[in-house]
Amino acid sequence: KAGVTQTPRYLIKTRGQQVTLSCSPISGHRSVSWYQQTPGQGLQFLFEYFSETQRNKGNFPGRFSGRQFSNSRSEMNVSTLELGDSALYLCASSSSLAGGSTDTQYFGPGTRLTVL
Amino acid sequence: GQSLEQPSEVTAVEGAIVQINCTYQTSGFYGLSWYQQHDGGAPTFLSYNALDGLEETGRFSSFLSRSDSYGYLLLQELQMKDSASYFCAVRSLAGGKLIFGQGTELSVKP
Repeated sequence: KAGVTQTPRYLIKTRGQQVTLSCSPISGHRSVSWYQQTPGQGLQFLFEYFSETQRNKGNFPGRFSGRQFSNSRSEMNVSTLELGDSALYLCASSSSLAGGSTDTQYFGPGTRLTVL
Repeated sequence: GQSLEQPSEVTAVEGAIVQINCTYQTSGFYGLSWYQQHDGGAPTFLSYNALDGLEETGRFSSFLSRSDSYGYLLLQELQMKDSASYFCAVRSLAGGKLIFGQGTELSVKP
């Protein structure tokens, strides 16, 4: 099975712009989660989608949004970019139905976003 | 709130054994997971403890004690390739969010 893929791998934007990142989960996985990773804050949970519905949400401002399509592919959008949004954005998919039990997360390689 | 605490850095020599601790404050969770992340790479799943006790997977073992709010990852017969960051994580019963510790950077020296 192909792993989780994310596009683009690298992105440079300027303050005030918006950006859309894409994630394709492992075939058959219906849960997709997004994380922001920075050296100072570690891995921070953004949101989780399951069957096109947002199932959980982290503590990020409304500038961060996401969606999931019927084929389980997911996108996240960040509007009005700030310097502090520079980070590695990781997507992970899971086969879990209930979000509990083993619930192994399979991570993609990430999108490195730099905001200038 | 909910938080997980890990040491920021650990150094050990090749062939040795190292233990990475994870203490947590959370009202309830499904289980404790461990992930490994090499520099520039994606986190990969290592181990999961749903119940108290020890889980062994090759050179890696993980332990959980809910009564002590504590878990650890044990790496035996350390190899240079084990140099990486290690994260503990729990999925909260309240809300279902997956919460990660800050990560422990393990350096294995020859």
